Amino acid sequence: QKEVEQNSGPLSVPEGAIASLNCTYSDRGSQSFFWYRQYSGKSPELIMFIYSNGDKEDGRFTAQLNKASQYVSLLIRDSQPSDSATYLCAVNKGGYSTLTFGKGTMLLVSP
Amino acid sequence: GAVVSQHPSWVICKSGTSVKIECRSLDFQATTMFWYRQFPKQSLMLMATSNEGSKATYEQGVEKDKFLINHASLTLSTLTVTSAHPEDSSFYICSATGQGSYNEQFFGPGTRLTVL
Repeated sequence: QKEVEQNSGPLSVPEGAIASLNCTYSDRGSQSFFWYRQYSGKSPELIMFIYSNGDKEDGRFTAQLNKASQYVSLLIRDSQPSDSATYLCAVNKGGYSTLTFGKGTMLLVSP
Repeated sequence: GAVVSQHPSWVICKSGTSVKIECRSLDFQATTMFWYRQFPKQSLMLMATSNEGSKATYEQGVEKDKFLINHASLTLSTLTVTSAHPEDSSFYICSATGQGSYNEQFFGPGTRLTVL
């Protein structure tokens, strides 16, 4: 079983819709969870992180964490064509440990 | 805040030469820096983790004698690709932690290396 799994996509949504990106992880010791956005040919950009069960909102983005189910998701409301990118889920076991990245989900938002 | 720079942004070199890539945290002191490599349409692959003043920790399968990492200060880490070959052509990205409370990694813009 891969440590961090994401559906590779592409996930296609129309402009203005809600995009839902999902991620599961295998290590129950994981403590912090991160969502990065990566445009083609560019480096990843941190969108947000979450460490407690529940929802965390930041603008159009909401991260959801369910540690019992080992599941983390990212919702993007009012999706825009500029949101089209690959979204990387990453988990951290706490302290100064490294991040383990999923392979990313490609999101395509059509005008 | 939390800005990480890399230099150069792209480099083309001949096979057999060495290339040095710099990674700097501009507005914070980075406790740890990471080096990744990413091939086209592939995911990020962690190469090594470095802490200031100590030897880098390399991931399994990464040749430490080929990819030399120096972390001389809390704001600067360098990656030297020695005797580069075409198969080393890739997108090299560094990241740094130390700014956030949850060890968020902030990425540099990346360096695209092409070895002819």
